[in-house]
Amino acid sequence: SQQGEEDPQALSIQEGENATMNCSYKTSINNLQWYRQNSGRGLVHLILIRSNEREKHSGRLRVTLDTSKKSSSLLITASRAADTASYFCATPPDGTASKLTFGTGTRLQVTL
Amino acid sequence: DGGITQSPKYLFRKEGQNVTLSCEQNLNHDAMYWYRQDPGQGLRLIYYSQIVNDFQKGDIAEGYSVSREKKESFPLTVTSAQKNPTAFYLCASTPPIGRYSNQPQHFGDGTRLSIL
Repeated sequence: SQQGEEDPQALSIQEGENATMNCSYKTSINNLQWYRQNSGRGLVHLILIRSNEREKHSGRLRVTLDTSKKSSSLLITASRAADTASYFCATPPDGTASKLTFGTGTRLQVTL
Repeated sequence: DGGITQSPKYLFRKEGQNVTLSCEQNLNHDAMYWYRQDPGQGLRLIYYSQIVNDFQKGDIAEGYSVSREKKESFPLTVTSAQKNPTAFYLCASTPPIGRYSNQPQHFGDGTRLSIL
């Protein structure tokens, strides 16, 4: 079964708006990662947040982590058409450091 | 530029045929991974390797095989035993796991495999 599940499955917004997507996971983790995938391409790492961190920023990206609720959110501010992609969260299954389990992703469409 | 190269970009398999997908990296990473992605789905781990000459099964290893004879290369063979091989296959790598807990994974641009 999936360790991480993203919500919503799909999101459509206009350019300039903010986009928020959520990830829930099942077991204790030492970190959570967010990735972006453009259509037909490989995944690109965006942010890694450790279990002792509550919030992390990178440019227009803001990630929060709530370990008590086993959830994380990715906020993209002032969205651009180029942000159109699928976004995945990934966590180490059962605390292992050797691999990641990916969620099913949120498909973001940013229109002009 | 350092990166991961997957080839070919598109591959077609006939019934009963084995096909091999190539993955090469020049990032000097120890760990390498193979994932399968079905349309609209997330990634599922097929095999992974933390060091040369060693690899472990992932969640969906049946019908697949791998080798890790060189640090730079981690080819994936889709055997005839894999009855539903049509998917997008992604290769990834990370620095040594022992020294860095869950480093970000670097991905290639994938191989799309279809059945003829």
